[in-house]
Amino acid sequence: GESVGLHLPTLSVQEGDNSIINCAYSNSASDYFIWYKQESGKGPQFIIDIRSNMDKRQGQRVTVLLNKTVKHLSLQIAATQPGDSAVYFCAENWMDSSYKLIFGSGTRLLVRP
Amino acid sequence: DVKVTQSSRYLVKRTGEKVFLECVQDMDHENMFWYRQDPGLGLRLIYFSYDVKMKEKGDIPEGYSVSREKKERFSLILESASTNQTSMYLCASSWQGEWYEQYFGPGTRLTVT
Repeated sequence: GESVGLHLPTLSVQEGDNSIINCAYSNSASDYFIWYKQESGKGPQFIIDIRSNMDKRQGQRVTVLLNKTVKHLSLQIAATQPGDSAVYFCAENWMDSSYKLIFGSGTRLLVRP
Repeated sequence: DVKVTQSSRYLVKRTGEKVFLECVQDMDHENMFWYRQDPGLGLRLIYFSYDVKMKEKGDIPEGYSVSREKKERFSLILESASTNQTSMYLCASSWQGEWYEQYFGPGTRLTVT
């Protein structure tokens, strides 16, 4: 498959463990924060979003936490599975830039069997 | 399921050639986007369109133009390809309201020699 990036930070976890992927964002005025997952050879896939007026949001096996004080975003994946192996991108939307997402450089998640 | 298709998975062009990358979505989405993805840089927005014949520049529009004559189709044009445009190009589409939940195509790997 297509390599997304050769020098990405990598998180290696055991299958069944919980994963935490972190992201520092840049603009304290950002309104939306989003996580995308990109598997090898595919385009990114939306996972979950959170608005700036929230500090936590849960989805199916995933939780996103937002700490506006330190401009930090995290994605927690419960009971990590082999199918979770991918590159994960956080993205933010600056309030004065409609329709524009600013993507981070990504974190590679490797799930060990 | 939303489907976003791109005309080619791999493309090799020579410097100075005019290059057309085509994207089609089947969900009647109002918004369409073109990104490029380079290792370590995440995704960067080139252009987006929120309606037929409407377009707005993203963060790196130089050397590119776009066309949206029909709602389902969004084309990216490299007027005179250069080697620094060698990259992975990703098209995405989204609803007007939840514009940040973008559906991506599989990408076109363009090599300019």
